[in-house]
Amino acid sequence: NAGVTQTPKFRVLKTGQSMTLLCAQDMNHEYMYWYRQDPGMGLRLIHYSVGEGTTAKGEVPDGYNVSRLKKQNFLLGLESAAPSQTSVYFCASSYLAGTGLGKANSPLHFGNGTRLTVT
Amino acid sequence: GDSVTQMEGPVTLSEEACLTINCTYTATGYPSLFWYVQYPGEGLQLLLKATKADDKGSNKGFEATYRKETTSFHLEKGSVQVSDSAVYFCALSGQGGSEKLVFGKGTKLTVNP
Repeated sequence: NAGVTQTPKFRVLKTGQSMTLLCAQDMNHEYMYWYRQDPGMGLRLIHYSVGEGTTAKGEVPDGYNVSRLKKQNFLLGLESAAPSQTSVYFCASSYLAGTGLGKANSPLHFGNGTRLTVT
Repeated sequence: GDSVTQMEGPVTLSEEACLTINCTYTATGYPSLFWYVQYPGEGLQLLLKATKADDKGSNKGFEATYRKETTSFHLEKGSVQVSDSAVYFCALSGQGGSEKLVFGKGTKLTVNP
């Protein structure tokens, strides 16, 4: 039972280079998320998706793009990396359970993170 | 909008000490409340949750009670262990469900033997 898998685990980029972070989940969850974690800042939502083919901006979307072509995959792209994008990136997934006002988010399932350094 | 405020760390305790990490929230209605834990080098994982007022979530000796009157969800443990050293995040999801969780900034706990 893999859960949420992120690749790669570590990456070093030079300013201006591009890369794609991969996230895959095998739990058939509708929702997927990309967060970044920086010291003293907690978790900040970059982009998220509520289903295949749909994406939306989170709190800090600038400099990132995402795609959700398949339900189980959520890709995060950096077109032109900047040192300010040095961070640990986490992917997560969840689903919405219940009906009407009784709906509630399932707990998020997180991957183990990708540590990105931009020099 | 919805928000979560948790006590800033770091918190350093000796083994077997009592732990309380404060968490208060701002949200309309009755959000669901969560505590997540992040061990070194890992992603976050759910520690406990509560989905309605006066619910008590518990797991691994940790407890938190959903207090609507004080809009709080404080995390407590009576006797911490070295293995509890981690970063703890309080989070909420709006009533009726929301595609986005709102996280606190996290509190780093270090337990010394």
